[in-house]
Amino acid sequence: QVTLKESGPALVKPTQTLTLTCTFSGFSLTTSGMRVSWIRQTPGKALEWLARIDWDDDKFYSTYLKTRLTISKDTSKNQVVLTMTNMDPVDTGTYYCARTEIDYSSEYWGQGTLVTVSS
Amino acid sequence: QSVLTQPPSVSGAPGQRVTISCTGSSSNIGAPYDVHWYQQLPGTAPKLLIYGNINRPSGVPARFSGSQSGTSASLAITGLQAEDEADYYCQSYDSSLSGVVFGGGTKLTVL
Repeated sequence: QVTLKESGPALVKPTQTLTLTCTFSGFSLTTSGMRVSWIRQTPGKALEWLARIDWDDDKFYSTYLKTRLTISKDTSKNQVVLTMTNMDPVDTGTYYCARTEIDYSSEYWGQGTLVTVSS
Repeated sequence: QSVLTQPPSVSGAPGQRVTISCTGSSSNIGAPYDVHWYQQLPGTAPKLLIYGNINRPSGVPARFSGSQSGTSASLAITGLQAEDEADYYCQSYDSSLSGVVFGGGTKLTVL
């Protein structure tokens, strides 16, 4: 059974760095073909892909946000970590992690974690 | 402004058929990269409804079907039920952006 769960601060101040952790089970990021992505949903409801890390440690970032994002994995803990620097109120939203297939679809998602950026 | 364009809302009566369009370009749907569809109920994570343009994951009713032609794709729902009322999103990959792109979402209202 594949599960994913996001964790991190519910509130961050503008200009701070956000660190989110995705803890998963039911698969391993050491297995060929496994991938985990981060996707967010802003209050305007649009979904936005942020980043992806693959089993071979390849990393991919949103063209619009790549200067602010870093994705990494800890295979011993079955975790993927996303950091986003220089947070702004427009970054307020729900952040999801999801297992991503080779065709870029995601069948397994975490429940999401709501992050509010406010002073 | 989303890379993939969806109508903001559609509606239909129980039992009817509705379709939701997703229009892209030659760098995504028309490339062609696969289109996937998600259903999102209020307060929950998106659920994969259709993958690879036309395929349904296990457990998704056959009332849901997908199609793709040129730079557009569509999701069709037949035999509309009250429980289908949700937001629906299309997703693909864009070679110009080198990343995954989503549609802006369509709110389905069952009358």
